Amino acid sequence: DTAVSQTPKYLVTQMGNDKSIKCEQNLGHDTMYWYKQDSKKFLKIMFSYNNKELIINETVPNRFSPKSPDKAHLNLHINSLELGDSAVYFCASSHHGTSGNTIYFGEGSWLTVV
Amino acid sequence: DQQVKQNSPSLSVQEGRISILNCDYTNSMFDYFLWYKKYPAEGPTFLISISSIKDKNEDGRFTVFLNKSAKHLSLHIVPSQPGDSAVYFCAANTQGGSEKLVFGKGTKLTVNP
Repeated sequence: DTAVSQTPKYLVTQMGNDKSIKCEQNLGHDTMYWYKQDSKKFLKIMFSYNNKELIINETVPNRFSPKSPDKAHLNLHINSLELGDSAVYFCASSHHGTSGNTIYFGEGSWLTVV
Repeated sequence: DQQVKQNSPSLSVQEGRISILNCDYTNSMFDYFLWYKKYPAEGPTFLISISSIKDKNEDGRFTVFLNKSAKHLSLHIVPSQPGDSAVYFCAANTQGGSEKLVFGKGTKLTVNP
């Protein structure tokens, strides 16, 4: 059983399209995240949700809209895709407020905008 | 503004020898540090962590050392195995507060048979 699963794993799409990446975790965690790894290999947080409530929103364009229908799911919708959106997007989850903060990652979604 | 820095993009060692991966941080508010391992086409997986109240944490072949005064931590792998070949990310955050992990850029470790 995959603890944090995201789909699709690979996505190639044209500029201007709208696309979604779905994420589900079965770890019973109450906090979920989207991270982005860009071409320079930096892994940076985009959003964090705790119990379906947005708690972190790092300077991300409005074209990116996360949606958390419940604690186990956090989807990422991207409108009007641009070339610069090409990256690997990682979903992750953790328990909120535990000692330290061990985050568990999904396998990543490779987005290529052409 | 890189708060977590891994200055060596790559490291190559022989099987059986020790691998030492280094990480420096600038934010004195960080009090919890983690190492993640990442294979190609997979997500990062948690490896080992250390709280700022400790200076060493050991788990099998993996040991993390923390030098708070120098704002430096290192991951030691001994003995290194070919299966350890991966990208290793150092990460840091503050306990009980921000849910935000700040990552370094990663070091690609290659263990040669």
